[in-house]
Amino acid sequence: DGGITQSPKYLFRKEGQNVTLSCEQNLNHDAMYWYRQDPGQGLRLIYYSQIVNDFQKGDIAEGYSVSREKKESFPLTVTSAQKNPTAFYLCASSMGLPSGANVLTFGAGSRLTVL
Amino acid sequence: GDSVTQMEGPVTLSEEAFLTINCTYTATGYPSLFWYVQYPGEGLQLLLKATKADDKGSNKGFEATYRKETTSFHLEKGSVQVSDSAVYFCALDRDDKIIFGKGTRLHILP
Repeated sequence: DGGITQSPKYLFRKEGQNVTLSCEQNLNHDAMYWYRQDPGQGLRLIYYSQIVNDFQKGDIAEGYSVSREKKESFPLTVTSAQKNPTAFYLCASSMGLPSGANVLTFGAGSRLTVL
Repeated sequence: GDSVTQMEGPVTLSEEAFLTINCTYTATGYPSLFWYVQYPGEGLQLLLKATKADDKGSNKGFEATYRKETTSFHLEKGSVQVSDSAVYFCALDRDDKIIFGKGTRLHILP
């Protein structure tokens, strides 16, 4: 079955450590996205990528980094510069432009807790 | 900039009640509009969508109509079930990004 796999599902980190969240899709989608979800704040866009080797900052990119070396993979690194990293992180993909309505397929999420 | 505003939750209803979750948007042009649903501990799933004015999206008994004149896309269901308990997100697409509302948590009591 096609879909998006995020790992790990739960992750604990000490302050000052970088962590990388994995996102892999086998949907042959061109576009991939990372969102952060906090209670009462909905989803906020961190980074997105429309094609391999290219990505753009979203609304809250500070303290995060990404790469897009392969079409199916879009890992997110939460760096020590991110001041409040404890959150639920969601990866998504879509067929991308100009395919019409930009429907997102989401992974199951990764919950990061900073101790 | 473009934005989506949803009614705040939580919304608590009894089983078989009628549901409305309000959503209004601010955008230039005519974006596509979506409702996504998130069940506990999971990612979001597309519930329904509409791509132009007066379109009605529907799925699993839920409906929403794209109203350009009121810039709204309210979600409705005639008879809710306990299994509909989830968080519902209204969203619009703007070029290469999707903009989400803050979500509305729905509790259905048996």
